[in-house]
Amino acid sequence: QKEVEQNSGPLSVPEGAIASLNCTYSDRGSQSFFWYRQYSGKSPELIMSIYSNGDKEDGRFTAQLNKASQYVSLLIRDSQPSDSATYLCAGGNYGQNFVFGPGTRLSVLP
Amino acid sequence: NAGVTQTPKFQVLKTGQSMTLQCAQDMNHNSMYWYRQDPGMGLRLIYYSASEGTTDKGEVPNGYNVSRLNKREFSLRLESAAPSQTSVYFCASSGKGGPLAEQYFGPGTRLTVT
Repeated sequence: QKEVEQNSGPLSVPEGAIASLNCTYSDRGSQSFFWYRQYSGKSPELIMSIYSNGDKEDGRFTAQLNKASQYVSLLIRDSQPSDSATYLCAGGNYGQNFVFGPGTRLSVLP
Repeated sequence: NAGVTQTPKFQVLKTGQSMTLQCAQDMNHNSMYWYRQDPGMGLRLIYYSASEGTTDKGEVPNGYNVSRLNKREFSLRLESAAPSQTSVYFCASSGKGGPLAEQYFGPGTRLTVT
């Protein structure tokens, strides 16, 4: 059973701080990784995709991938109360579909 | 451009009743997916359709059937609802299909089976 694991949280950070969300995966063959944001009662919204080792930046968001350690992370700089949500990590491999983690709940305190 | 739409938004069923959840996308995507989301368990794939005319089972297909009606529409049917099927159901679509493609989600259907 391929698994994606996340700390369920809640992770609390003060406004303006960096929030660091982590994800590990069991399938060494995973090729693609995605971060989704989900507000309470809403559907998942794609934030970032990352396919290669290293960092990928998009505005206040940076995704980091380390395939050797089977680890992917999402950094949110200058966190805002509007960033308070559950963040889902997903991994994908050829011949298979996405496997989603259970999500980490982030709370940004004003 | 509505993206992915789902109907209904909410539904209450009695055990044994049947219903069909509808999903449509206007992004000209090839692949479509049905997920269920339960507290603490994340999103689990029920069925998917890599392209028009094909459907395949996902992780939790028991108790469900699907129809890929055309490129735009992908429906999920519960033939005899059970309380264990109480969940939030999301439809998603992706352009390229397969594990490398980004998926985009509809607003969801909240289903309660009593």
